[in-house]
Amino acid sequence: QVQLVQSGAEVKKPGASVKVSCKASGYTFTNYDINWVRQATGQGLEWMGWMNPNSGNTGYAEKFQGRVTMTWNTSISTAYMDLSSLRSEDTAVYYCTRGHSSGYYIYYFDYWGLGTLVTVSS
Amino acid sequence: SSELTQDPAVSVALGQTVRITCQGDSLRRYYASWYQQKPGQAPVLVIYGENSRPSGIPDRISGSYSGNTASLTITGAQAEDEADYYCNSRDNSGNHVIFGGGTKLTVL
Repeated sequence: QVQLVQSGAEVKKPGASVKVSCKASGYTFTNYDINWVRQATGQGLEWMGWMNPNSGNTGYAEKFQGRVTMTWNTSISTAYMDLSSLRSEDTAVYYCTRGHSSGYYIYYFDYWGLGTLVTVSS
Repeated sequence: SSELTQDPAVSVALGQTVRITCQGDSLRRYYASWYQQKPGQAPVLVIYGENSRPSGIPDRISGSYSGNTASLTITGAQAEDEADYYCNSRDNSGNHVIFGGGTKLTVL
């Protein structure tokens, strides 16, 4: 069965960076995108960006351009999301999710990791 | 920039029918997908494409479209349907993804 297993909770100081991992299993890693979505406490879902392990392409939400980097290691079917220059507003649960395209006009997130809580505090 | 708009909160009596809407220009071109999220849990995909359900999603949950609005309908709402519901789609550029602000569904 498809699983996305994320790394554990992190506590970081303002200005630091955090790297969250997402290990995929149960499918061919290079056949699907991985997207990253975050959710602050009591708030909605916020899309951060996507990566395609097959094409090597990435795309980031304008809000995170310059601060986020999404990478992967195909040999271990693991995706990474690196967020730098952390501030208190970045405190949130970060989810990785598999992006599934059924034709260009249908794109959805069919499997999700359980989330990684990142706390930014001095 | 692209946006998807959802009503913040909707309520429904147990066993009745409720419609949750998602409005945005991107929906004239791209299909929405819908996610159910319960407290402390990751979102779960419930509807994608025109009106497709992943396995395990009950058929009382359905999707539909009209113009720039996608709708999620729950026919015969159950207590376990109480949750936050989010829509998303590609944005107008097709290169990014956008989420609606979410709708909190209360089953009375």
